[in-house]
Amino acid sequence: DQQVKQNSPSLSVQEGRISILNCDYTNSMFDYFLWYKKYPAEGPTFLISISSIKDKNEDGRFTVFLNKSAKHLSLHIVPSQPGDSAVYFCAATALIQGAQKLVFGQGTRLTINP
Amino acid sequence: KAGVTQTPRYLIKTRGQQVTLSCSPISGHRSVSWYQQTPGQGLQFLFEYFSETQRNKGNFPGRFSGRQFSNSRSEMNVSTLELGDSALYLCASSPKSSYNEQFFGPGTRLTVL
Repeated sequence: DQQVKQNSPSLSVQEGRISILNCDYTNSMFDYFLWYKKYPAEGPTFLISISSIKDKNEDGRFTVFLNKSAKHLSLHIVPSQPGDSAVYFCAATALIQGAQKLVFGQGTRLTINP
Repeated sequence: KAGVTQTPRYLIKTRGQQVTLSCSPISGHRSVSWYQQTPGQGLQFLFEYFSETQRNKGNFPGRFSGRQFSNSRSEMNVSTLELGDSALYLCASSPKSSYNEQFFGPGTRLTVL
């Protein structure tokens, strides 16, 4: 049962345009969401996060939007740069039965074309 | 501060063998989590250790086990390897048992033939 889903395995965007990566979740107990970026041969690095009490968090070119009613979050990158080409994972956490659970999506490979 | 290190970086084993992977967390970090990354499945949580105790466990069979030492270094063991165990194994450390501040290592690429 994939509780966090990234339905687009890949996305290709022109340099300078907006990249929008999407993530859906099924468990309403998730209360904190994170985005990680992963380059080949490196571990994922934390990018941006959002608490369920907010609907938007912005950090420079990166903005995460959370729609709790739709159980959907998205990452916007604007303007997109070649260095943004990487695999992006969304993740969600919840305290379930006394233990914090962290669930990752399958990842979306973003390619920025010059 | 040095980052999270994992050894070895690459490993080739055959079915039925066992393997031990090592992770050294960032100095001062007491929590170490392990993940398996496979194409199409994303990162699957294996387990988390905090102060030498397993605090959390994912849905993996008992062939997957781990431990943490007093210096916070952690090892993961997989016994009776199967072809499906081929994956990138990542460990992540954090200063406390919180997934909100994890730092990942580069991973160990395990290939089972």
